[in-house]
Amino acid sequence: DAGITQSPRHKVTETGTPVTLRCHQTENHRYMYWYRQDPGHGLRLIHYSYGVKDTDKGEVSDGYSVSRSKTEDFLLTLESATSSQTSVYFCAIKGTGVYEQYFGPGTRLTVT
Amino acid sequence: GQQVMQIPQYQHVQEGEDFTTYCNSSTTLSNIQWYKQRPGGHPVFLIQLVKSGEVKKQKRLTFQFGEAKKNSSLHITATQTTDVGTYFCAATGGSQGNLIFGKGTKLSVKP
Repeated sequence: DAGITQSPRHKVTETGTPVTLRCHQTENHRYMYWYRQDPGHGLRLIHYSYGVKDTDKGEVSDGYSVSRSKTEDFLLTLESATSSQTSVYFCAIKGTGVYEQYFGPGTRLTVT
Repeated sequence: GQQVMQIPQYQHVQEGEDFTTYCNSSTTLSNIQWYKQRPGGHPVFLIQLVKSGEVKKQKRLTFQFGEAKKNSSLHITATQTTDVGTYFCAATGGSQGNLIFGKGTKLSVKP
């Protein structure tokens, strides 16, 4: 599973509260990604990182910020959670091949 | 932006029947990847195709990349209950080679 862990695995929070999700990898991969998965929408890219302190926006970045201060950790923050951010969040890394990605186990976030 | 369309959205089959999902793009793709996600699980990389007309097999799974590199298919022969899940295609797009995923085909198999 490419040594990727996500924490927490489940979280219930209230609207307006800040939330931080953590992705941790053990294999020194340069590229890391955050996706959200919703019924009918498949996987949509939120933000990605191509190195320490190097991040960029994806398709659905509004309401999210990220940070990568160490190679192994990529944090996703919802500054003020909204019910529309209820989703399953997956972290991924780019493998050593050309473009394939390997995903973490996911975090199920519910915003009430 | 670049999109990949995947059909069908759902497929229900009897165990032993074949299954095919299709991925289409209006633009030429540099490569196509396929992922499987079991219920409650995470997407798992299956294979990547890069050459025009390429065909690859993994046991009962056959993957094809179209001659024009605008479409791809995944065919499963004689489905088993272990094949249940959602199958996604993905293509690279953007300056950093990020993946653009199709919306997936959810396969259910009746024993």
